[in-house]
Amino acid sequence: GQQVMQIPQYQHVQEGEDFTTYCNSSTTLSNIQWYKQRPGGHPVFLIQLVKSGEVKKQKRLTFQFGEAKKNSSLHITATQTTDVGTYFCAGKVGANNLFFGTGTRLTVIP
Amino acid sequence: NAGVTQTPKFQVLKTGQSMTLQCAQDMNHNSMYWYRQDPGMGLRLIYYSASEGTTDKGEVPNGYNVSRLNKREFSLRLESAAPSQTSVYFCASSGQGVLNQPQHFGDGTRLSIL
Repeated sequence: GQQVMQIPQYQHVQEGEDFTTYCNSSTTLSNIQWYKQRPGGHPVFLIQLVKSGEVKKQKRLTFQFGEAKKNSSLHITATQTTDVGTYFCAGKVGANNLFFGTGTRLTVIP
Repeated sequence: NAGVTQTPKFQVLKTGQSMTLQCAQDMNHNSMYWYRQDPGMGLRLIYYSASEGTTDKGEVPNGYNVSRLNKREFSLRLESAAPSQTSVYFCASSGQGVLNQPQHFGDGTRLSIL
């Protein structure tokens, strides 16, 4: 069964609006990675979070890892058309299992 | 630097046929992975190889076999293809430590089983 749940499945925003996607796991994660996949493309690594409560920023993107290491979020401030794509979280469970969320497909309306 | 190269990019098979998907990386990575991506399901790990000479099952290994031919190459074989194996297959590689490093993905193989 699905180990990592991700919501929402789709999000349409006007350019300039903010966007957030959330990942939740029923089990504690060793780490969590975030990837972006453009339509027709392959996943591209964005960031990895390891520590409880960790927050990392990349320009307009802010990534958080929950205190209990069971949830994570990606927030984009002032979206641009270049942000279009599907954002996936991937949570490591135990030593050798990595479960991808179902992804959030972001559409940015100019 | 090509990164991760997958062949073929597209393939159509009939039920029961066999085929091998090829993957090669030129980043001197220890770990390699095979995923499948289905609509609404995200990516699911089929098999992985932590290092040359070792392979392990992922979340959905049934119906597949793999071979880590050398450090560069990791192939995925479908012995008797079934329509349920219609999917996009991605190969990925990462540095030291299974699933602890960023994964670099190939462009994918779009496989249809009729």
